[in-house]
Amino acid sequence: DTGVSQDPRHKITKRGQNVTFRCDPISEHNRLYWYRQTLGQGPEFLTYFQNEAQLEKSRLLSDRFSAERPKGSFSTLEIQRTEQGDSAMYLCASSFRGVGGYDEQYFGPGTRLTVT
Amino acid sequence: GDSVTQMEGPVTLSEEAFLTINCTYTATGYPSLFWYVQYPGEGLQLLLKATKADDKGSNKGFEATYRKETTSFHLEKGSVQVSDSAVYFCALPNAGGTSYGKLTFGQGTILTVHP
Repeated sequence: DTGVSQDPRHKITKRGQNVTFRCDPISEHNRLYWYRQTLGQGPEFLTYFQNEAQLEKSRLLSDRFSAERPKGSFSTLEIQRTEQGDSAMYLCASSFRGVGGYDEQYFGPGTRLTVT
Repeated sequence: GDSVTQMEGPVTLSEEAFLTINCTYTATGYPSLFWYVQYPGEGLQLLLKATKADDKGSNKGFEATYRKETTSFHLEKGSVQVSDSAVYFCALPNAGGTSYGKLTFGQGTILTVHP
């Protein structure tokens, strides 16, 4: 297994355009998380899935953001009508949620979004 | 809600110097605590963890002790190397309910080690 992968690694877009990011988790991981990291800050939670169900969305996730995880495998994060404030690194992580204990999250390399 | 506070950075050290990066937290209950590291151009990696009070997590020469009485989890290394240059994040997972496992991170501390 090669770990969590994200595509693209970099995206430059003009304000008002829509963008979509993809995350491929480690196979057999049933949980998938999205975080956003701005310069000089730690990652902030956006949303997460257990299998195909989206269980929580942060208040950071405005109506312009939508995430899906069809069939409980890869996930996409779409941002509509991008704004300059959306410029950030978008991180994906996956884990296996078993019975008891803490499920370690494995992070992908991130997608860096720049909105001009 | 849960929060994590890290010492202000960046931190610049010479090789073989002693490192401390402070981390304090606010949380309900007694969560696990983590240190993640982000090397240049790479994704976040779990460096070490502690799951209960007085536990000491260790990895790659780094150590951190879970101090319930001071709500702290300071990261230490006795002799840093140039290859330790990275950004370090203290983090704690949400301990219950539907948010179980969601991580709350500190703001990160940039460490630069010079030869």
